[in-house]
Amino acid sequence: KAGVTQTPRYLIKTRGQQVTLSCSPISGHRSVSWYQQTPGQGLQFLFEYFSETQRNKGNFPGRFSGRQFSNSRSEMNVSTLELGDSALYLCASSQGRGRNEKLFFGSGTQLSVL
Amino acid sequence: AQTVTQSQPEMSVQEAETVTLSCTYDTSENNYYLFWYKQPPSRQMILVIRQEAYKQQNATENRFSVNFQKAAKSFSLKISDSQLGDTAMYFCAFMKHEGGGADGLTFGKGTHLIIQP
Repeated sequence: KAGVTQTPRYLIKTRGQQVTLSCSPISGHRSVSWYQQTPGQGLQFLFEYFSETQRNKGNFPGRFSGRQFSNSRSEMNVSTLELGDSALYLCASSQGRGRNEKLFFGSGTQLSVL
Repeated sequence: AQTVTQSQPEMSVQEAETVTLSCTYDTSENNYYLFWYKQPPSRQMILVIRQEAYKQQNATENRFSVNFQKAAKSFSLKISDSQLGDTAMYFCAFMKHEGGGADGLTFGKGTHLIIQP
């Protein structure tokens, strides 16, 4: 069974641009969540999608948005990029949202904003 | 809001030794989970062990075990017979669980564990 796949692995953008990151969960998994990892702030929860609906959202500005498709694949979009958006963006999937769910992470997309 | 604190930024031990990583957390929740994740240079977060707050028995997974002290809000990870492949960043994480679903993970800042040959 393939793991969580994130594309692209690396991305370089300039300030003011927008970017879209993609996450394909493990087959059969319906929940996808996103995390931002930076040296200064550490790992922070962005949002979670389940059955194409956003279920939870972390404390990030509206420039950060996402969506989930009917096949459970998810995309994350950041508009009007700032230097501080440079980070590793990790995606995680789980089968559902129940008590005993386990999260499986991808290897992340490293975003550099110049 | 929850907070997770890992007070050891870096630790180094010899191969085959036992090492304990510390984690404390703060929450007003009663129903939650605690995790230890490992992040090797490949960057992929790998679940090491999970503890449910309502279970008094400490979780174990092969060479990995935890010491969960709910009243003290402490959740340490013990790695026995450490191996070179254990070298990685280790993150302690908290997740509350309410009703119909889980919330996002709250992570500590991490401990960089180095296993020396």
